[in-house]
Amino acid sequence: GAGVSQSPRYKVTKRGQDVALRCDPISGHVSLYWYRQALGQGPEFLTYFNYEAQQDKSGLPNDRFSAERPEGSISTLTIQRTEQRDSAMYRCASSQGLFNEQFFGPGTRLTVL
Amino acid sequence: QKEVEQDPGPLSVPEGAIVSLNCTYSNSAFQYFMWYRQYSRKGPELLMYTYSSGNKEDGRFTAQVDKSSKYISLFIRDSQPSDSATYLCAMSAGTNAGKSTFGDGTTLTVKP
Repeated sequence: GAGVSQSPRYKVTKRGQDVALRCDPISGHVSLYWYRQALGQGPEFLTYFNYEAQQDKSGLPNDRFSAERPEGSISTLTIQRTEQRDSAMYRCASSQGLFNEQFFGPGTRLTVL
Repeated sequence: QKEVEQDPGPLSVPEGAIVSLNCTYSNSAFQYFMWYRQYSRKGPELLMYTYSSGNKEDGRFTAQVDKSSKYISLFIRDSQPSDSATYLCAMSAGTNAGKSTFGDGTTLTVKP
């Protein structure tokens, strides 16, 4: 079956622009997670959802970052007024439930010029 | 200081060697402990998942958790070149299992 998919795979934007990153979880997975991973570092937790409810957004760096999952399936991570320090790999993962294995997507490489 | 500390390596071993990978942590609320493997340019994939203290074995892999020392380990027996990857430890608290805190990973190379 299909795994977690993310789009776009690569995004280059200019400083100050807004970007929207999309995550399609594995069908039937109720939990969805967003991470940011810098080169040479482990994934850094951003936020997670159970169904459509955002359970924890404590990892979002500031109020320029937001995420939604309105129908409990596809999720969008939005970064407003991007800055160069936002450049990173953004990874999405999904699981059947909170205590189940997380399956990671291929990530979106964001570059802010 | 980070909540989860992991020696970045790199670690290079000959094929067939026993590999020991370790993480220390500071948050005593952590109860779920995971080891992930990440190949270059790929997403992490779960290797081992352990709840609380103790050992868990799966094939060539053994995970150990010592909550009293806030120390976890992953042992790889009979290491193979295909084990060459970055190994990440991760952990979460029982009260917020959806929030995983990762170490920065140890890069392992197994030479034929």
